Amino acid sequence: NAGVTQTPKFQVLKTGQSMTLQCAQDMNHNSMYWYRQDPGMGLRLIYYSASEGTTDKGEVPNGYNVSRLNKREFSLRLESAAPSQTSVYFCASRALGDPNQPQHFGDGTRLSIL
Amino acid sequence: TQLLEQSPQFLSIQEGENLTVYCNSSSVFSSLQWYRQEPGEGPVLLVTVVTGGEVKKLKRLTFQFGDARKDSSLHITAAQPGDTGLYLCAGAETGGFKTIFGAGTRLFVKA
Repeated sequence: NAGVTQTPKFQVLKTGQSMTLQCAQDMNHNSMYWYRQDPGMGLRLIYYSASEGTTDKGEVPNGYNVSRLNKREFSLRLESAAPSQTSVYFCASRALGDPNQPQHFGDGTRLSIL
Repeated sequence: TQLLEQSPQFLSIQEGENLTVYCNSSSVFSSLQWYRQEPGEGPVLLVTVVTGGEVKKLKRLTFQFGDARKDSSLHITAAQPGDTGLYLCAGAETGGFKTIFGAGTRLFVKA
């Protein structure tokens, strides 16, 4: 089925380790987003890419980096993981830069930092 | 910073009851979206409301956008166990690329 694919689905890291979360969409969407979801706090935007070749900070970018590898792929990197980064991470894509268009989400990556 | 406040945060009701979830802000949004999220999955769009005062219906769900485009409500008639889930409202940033999400309302409908 067409959609947004995130890998891995689960990951446990030790404090200080690094890792990259992968996201790919096959809907030819221009815009892509990374969110984290914590209990009682909804979805908070980490970084976004309005179009291929551009990336911008969201609400909570500290401790993260992103790469828009091509139109399909948008990765999120944790350089030195901290327990505060324990969360569920969602990648989303949108057809145009128009925020009135719906976002399509992946099923998330559940990340635990020990 | 634009914020969206959802209420209630948690709701547990019996099958057949009606309920309303509210989404409020002091900011104006170009549109409001409602998403539903099931455990282990990402949010899925239910509806987008764009015009102030707009009302949209999706079977037993009724969505309304406030006249000033600062708030929205979701009303469910005769709730069913299949309605159980996390309901998120999301406001589209005026003139930008970003969407602001509320903290969500977790709904349990008991049979």
